[in-house]
Amino acid sequence: QVQLVESGGGLVKPGGSLRLSCAASGFTFSDYYMSWIRQAPGKGLEWVSYISSSGSTIYYADSVKGRFTISRDNAKNSLYLQMNSLRAEDTAVYYCARASNYGDYFPPYFDYWGQGTLVTVSS
Amino acid sequence: DIQMTQSPSTLSASVGDRVTITCRASQSISSWLAWYQQKPGKAPKLLIYKASSLESGVPSRFSGSGSGTEFTLTISSLQPDDFATYYCQQYNSYPITFGQGTRLEIK
Repeated sequence: QVQLVESGGGLVKPGGSLRLSCAASGFTFSDYYMSWIRQAPGKGLEWVSYISSSGSTIYYADSVKGRFTISRDNAKNSLYLQMNSLRAEDTAVYYCARASNYGDYFPPYFDYWGQGTLVTVSS
Repeated sequence: DIQMTQSPSTLSASVGDRVTITCRASQSISSWLAWYQQKPGKAPKLLIYKASSLESGVPSRFSGSGSGTEFTLTISSLQPDDFATYYCQQYNSYPITFGQGTRLEIK
């Protein structure tokens, strides 16, 4: 069965950095597009970033552009999110999600989600 | 950016009721709309994609309809397991956006 397991969350000071990982299993990871989606405490869902199956096409939300970097290692069945210059408003549970395959440039919906990892940005 | 607005924000209903949640897009998104269910402390679960296509394994009491700018999620007969928060999501264009959520609570 499809499993997505996030790790790497924790407490970090404003301006600091953190790298999230998502380990995928139960499907051919290299065939699928992936995304990161976050949810601030008690709030709704916010899409963060998307990466195509090969890693050649990447999109970011404006709120994280220039600070966050999505990447993947298909040999390790893993997705990553490097987060730099963190702000208090980045505090959230971060989910990795498997994306539908409509093509590199077409936005997806998300059919499987991990359990999430909490990132807290506070001094 | 395409704004997604759900109504109502909170809905009180009883087991066995038929309920409808509405999602409106700020511009046409054709049928590129998904619905998710989220329970406290859990990840969202996909229910419906392409406005009306039921995800595999999702009970048939869930249905979706609409196109363009107005969409609905209907639960035909509420079950105890259905009390949760529901989100719509557009995937017509980037940035991908979600509605603010509708909390379905027990009356």
